[in-house]
Amino acid sequence: GAVVSQHPSRVICKSGTSVKIECRSLDFQATTMFWYRQFPKQSLMLMATSNEGSKATYEQGVEKDKFLINHASLTLSTLTVTSAHPEDSSFYICSAALGTRHNQPQHFGDGTRLSIL
Amino acid sequence: GIQVEQSPPDLILQEGANSTLRCNFSDSVNNLQWFHQNPWGQLINLFYIPSGTKQNGRLSATTVATERYSLLYISSSQTTDSGVYFCAVDGYNNNDMRFGAGTRLTVKP
Repeated sequence: GAVVSQHPSRVICKSGTSVKIECRSLDFQATTMFWYRQFPKQSLMLMATSNEGSKATYEQGVEKDKFLINHASLTLSTLTVTSAHPEDSSFYICSAALGTRHNQPQHFGDGTRLSIL
Repeated sequence: GIQVEQSPPDLILQEGANSTLRCNFSDSVNNLQWFHQNPWGQLINLFYIPSGTKQNGRLSATTVATERYSLLYISSSQTTDSGVYFCAVDGYNNNDMRFGAGTRLTVKP
């Protein structure tokens, strides 16, 4: 089956650090990947759509200069939280679909728990 | 954008009981999935069910697309069923999945 791998699973770092999270589709190619954020006891909120070979599309209210997304290949998207602050602490999770977006299920990574001290 | 509402928000069951979780959505959908999020945050895909009925062991789901709702049935619940259940949809006019607020299920021994 389609597998999405996300790394690292957990990050603890000091305020001001930039943190990179990787999302890989292991056995399929994904022209589009999605990044979500989840605060404690809340639902998943879409942050941005990562498009291979082009700029990401950000949801309203998400700072593109704060959350840099690079989708350099058909199997890898990265999310970089720049100059992270405690309010950026959250659970970040990515997803991708096999083939065309519609008519296929989304496969999710295991998520990255980010804690900024 | 498409709105997704889940009910109930919280559910407490005794082990062995059955339950029904509901997901209402505001527009036509291409895709609907049910997930179980475990205590470590992992999203376990339960069903990909834009329409029709599917069963997997003690779990089953039904989506009535024309009436814009989906139901997740859990029979003979076990303590390991505890966690948050999310419904997520991908509308015809969207290119991404939108999540409901979830149902937090607690199964007591």
